[in-house]
Formats: sequence, structure tokens, C-alpha cells
Amino acid sequence: NAGVTQTPKFQVLKTGQSMTLQCAQDMNHNSMYWYRQDPGMGLRLIYYSASEGTTDKGEVPNGYNVSRLNKREFSLRLESAAPSQTSVYFCASSDGTVSGANVLTFGAGSRLTVL
Amino acid sequence: AQSVTQLGSHVSVSEGALVLLRCNYSSSVPPYLFWYVQYPNQGLQLLLKYTSAATLVKGINGFEAEFKKSETSFHLTKPSAHMSDAAEYFCAVSNQAGTALIFGKGTTLSVSS
Repeated sequence: NAGVTQTPKFQVLKTGQSMTLQCAQDMNHNSMYWYRQDPGMGLRLIYYSASEGTTDKGEVPNGYNVSRLNKREFSLRLESAAPSQTSVYFCASSDGTVSGANVLTFGAGSRLTVL
Repeated sequence: AQSVTQLGSHVSVSEGALVLLRCNYSSSVPPYLFWYVQYPNQGLQLLLKYTSAATLVKGINGFEAEFKKSETSFHLTKPSAHMSDAAEYFCAVSNQAGTALIFGKGTTLSVSS
């Protein structure tokens, strides 16, 4: 069982460069999420997709865009990377059928450094 | 708005001692509450969740948490710590729409022999 797969695992960018983080799940989940984790800040929600065809902003969406490509895939794009976007990014998915009570399954994370 | 506050960014215990990790929540609706654990260089894994069925919730690896509405708390406990429990622990609450989780800042648990 692959679960939630994120690519790449590590990436170094220069300020102003763009990149896309890819996420795919094989659990037939309806909902997908992108979080960032920073020391002392916990996990903060960037964007989520409650179902295929929908996306919504989370707590910290500025500087990011997302695409729910299909039910399996949810990508996160940084159009012009900034040093403040240096972080570990986690993708997660959930069944999404029971409002509020769904368990999130997380990927292993993508560590991004912006110089 | 929904939020959780984890009291203590770092907790240290001896092997065999009681583990107590504190979480207080704020919610405008009956909350769904979760505890997740993160081992070094890994993603988060679910320990347990509260969905109003019972106030005392048992999770994996001997952990449990008690929902106390009067105290707006959902503290995580384990009677006897093991070295393998060393990790970062996150409390989380569902957002108001029930579509995503809002996480606390995390508590790092250290276990010494």
C-alpha cells in the first residue's frame, strides 16, 4: 500500500524560481490537503480540496496555487519562491464522507529550501 | 474560529513514568479532536480521535485521551513511557466546516533511561 506519495522529497530553489510539488493517493479518498510545517509553528493548512473539482484556501495560502488534477492527484505550485517558503510540506488525504471526523493520512513530506 | 493550544513545547520524562501532554481547544461547534504523532523524518500518524461517542478515547501504543467539555481540554496520557515514545505530538481540531484539521504547535516528548 503506497498511501500518499509526495515528490520530490528534497528541493533547493533560488529566490524567484518556480516549482510544483506533486501528491498522489491510492486510497480513493475524496479530500486532499497541503500543510506546511515550520519549527515552533506546528502544521498550517495552505490549501485543501474537499472533493474533486473544488479547492479552498487554508490559513496560509499566499504565494501558493493548487490544482486538483483528478481524484488521485493534488499539486502545490510556488510561482515565485521566497525564502519565507523554506519549509517541510506535507500532503494528506481523507475519505471526506463524515464531516469533521475524517482521519487524515499523511505523506512523508517534501523538504524545500529557498536560497 | 476553531483552535487548539498545546501547553508545553517540550516534555521530558523517564522511562516508565507517566506521560501527560496537554491540549486545550476552542470551538464554536461540538468539536472533533485528534492526536497525531510524528517520528523523526516521517509524516504524521493518527494516535486517536474523539468524535463524541465516548469521553475517554483509547488509541494505539497504550495512549489515551479524555475529553472534558467543562475544561475545554483533551489531554493525552500514557501510564508508562517507553523509549520508543520519543516523538513530536500534535493535537488537532476540525475546522468549523468539518472539511480540514487545525493543528496545534506540537509538543516534543523526550524519554530518558
